[in-house]
Amino acid sequence: EAEVAQSPRYKITEKSQAVAFWCDPISGHATLYWYRQILGQGPELLVQFQDESVVDDSQLPKDRFSAERLKGVDSTLKIQPAELGDSAMYLCASGGSGVFYEQYFGPGTRLTVT
Amino acid sequence: GENVEQHPSTLSVQEGDSAVIKCTYSDSASNYFPWYKQELGKRPQLIIDIRSNVGEKKDQRIAVTLNKTAKHFSLHITETQPEDSAVYFCAATIQGAQKLVFGQGTRLTINP
Repeated sequence: EAEVAQSPRYKITEKSQAVAFWCDPISGHATLYWYRQILGQGPELLVQFQDESVVDDSQLPKDRFSAERLKGVDSTLKIQPAELGDSAMYLCASGGSGVFYEQYFGPGTRLTVT
Repeated sequence: GENVEQHPSTLSVQEGDSAVIKCTYSDSASNYFPWYKQELGKRPQLIIDIRSNVGEKKDQRIAVTLNKTAKHFSLHITETQPEDSAVYFCAATIQGAQKLVFGQGTRLTINP
């Protein structure tokens, strides 16, 4: 069964450093999502792509976060500079282009900023 | 925008008993309601979903009900087993929006 892949699984970085996360969606899925999940809370959407285009980045802190999906397949989420409050799980999800948008999540990257 | 409230935040039941988790949503245009199960340290997994054109859907021990008038939907787990212990999230979306809004999660513990 195809799954969403993410790397790294864990990342520890010092504040003010740059970090990057990678996501490879399920083959053929046009829609890709990046979520942030703080411990004990539900996932919160950061950015949504349809192919290579950003559909929604209204909750992305654009002063420090950036995301790209250059060829409409895999995607990278970057934080520069990282802050202590960025410590969280970063989840990637992908979905097909059907009428109802089922989303399938990757294993996530656990970020700890010290 | 859409807002989803989920209750309770924690739920503890005896093995074999039933568990019910409830969510309410604010946008009457929402028409797709998935439920995700997240075990400790693992990815959220889609376990069941319901669309606004049906009132109930079952899959073995799991069922979801939807009341569009009251704008709430519920997850029902019968004959609970230890492996049902996890955090469960509800979500809602509007057709065409492709954007899920999640509830805060319910930590379900099954006591042997």
